[in-house]
Amino acid sequence: SQQGEEDPQALSIQEGENATMNCSYKTSINNLQWYRQNSGRGLVHLILIRSNEREKHSGRLRVTLDTSKKSSSLLITASRAADTASYFCATLLKSSGDKLTFGTGTRLAVRP
Amino acid sequence: DVKVTQSSRYLVKRTGEKVFLECVQDMDHENMFWYRQDPGLGLRLIYFSYDVKMKEKGDIPEGYSVSREKKERFSLILESASTNQTSMYLCASYSGGQRTEAFFGQGTRLTVV
Repeated sequence: SQQGEEDPQALSIQEGENATMNCSYKTSINNLQWYRQNSGRGLVHLILIRSNEREKHSGRLRVTLDTSKKSSSLLITASRAADTASYFCATLLKSSGDKLTFGTGTRLAVRP
Repeated sequence: DVKVTQSSRYLVKRTGEKVFLECVQDMDHENMFWYRQDPGLGLRLIYFSYDVKMKEKGDIPEGYSVSREKKERFSLILESASTNQTSMYLCASYSGGQRTEAFFGQGTRLTVV
């Protein structure tokens, strides 16, 4: 079963607006990461937040993590048309190796 | 720059064929992963490997096997391809630890006819 689920599945906003995506997961984690995928290509890492952190910033990105609710959110401020992509959360769980499991993704469309 | 290279961008195979998908990384990463991506289902983990010859099943290993004989190469094997294995396959590598990120190949779009 999927470890993470993103909400909403799809989001359409106007350029300049903020976009918020949420991720819920099922098991305890070591860290949570957000990735971006442009149109059927490989994923690119955006930001990582460790399980003992509550908030992280990187440029126009802000990530929060609530381990008690097993949820995270990604906020993209002042969105641009170039932000149009799919966004995935991924959770890292240390077993015998590092198990990196992805969610179902949010498709973001930013209208010029 | 880290590079993760998948051997084929597009592949068409017949039902029942044995299919090999190859992935090579050049950063000496310990961990490598194979995912499949289907519309509405996101990325689902098939298998991962944390060292040479070491592997673990992911969430959907049925119908697949893997091989990691060298650190830089991780192969996904479809023992007898079926039409429900038509999908985009993504390989990733990851050095491990709390602060690192995964790097992805460009994907192999496999069609089984």
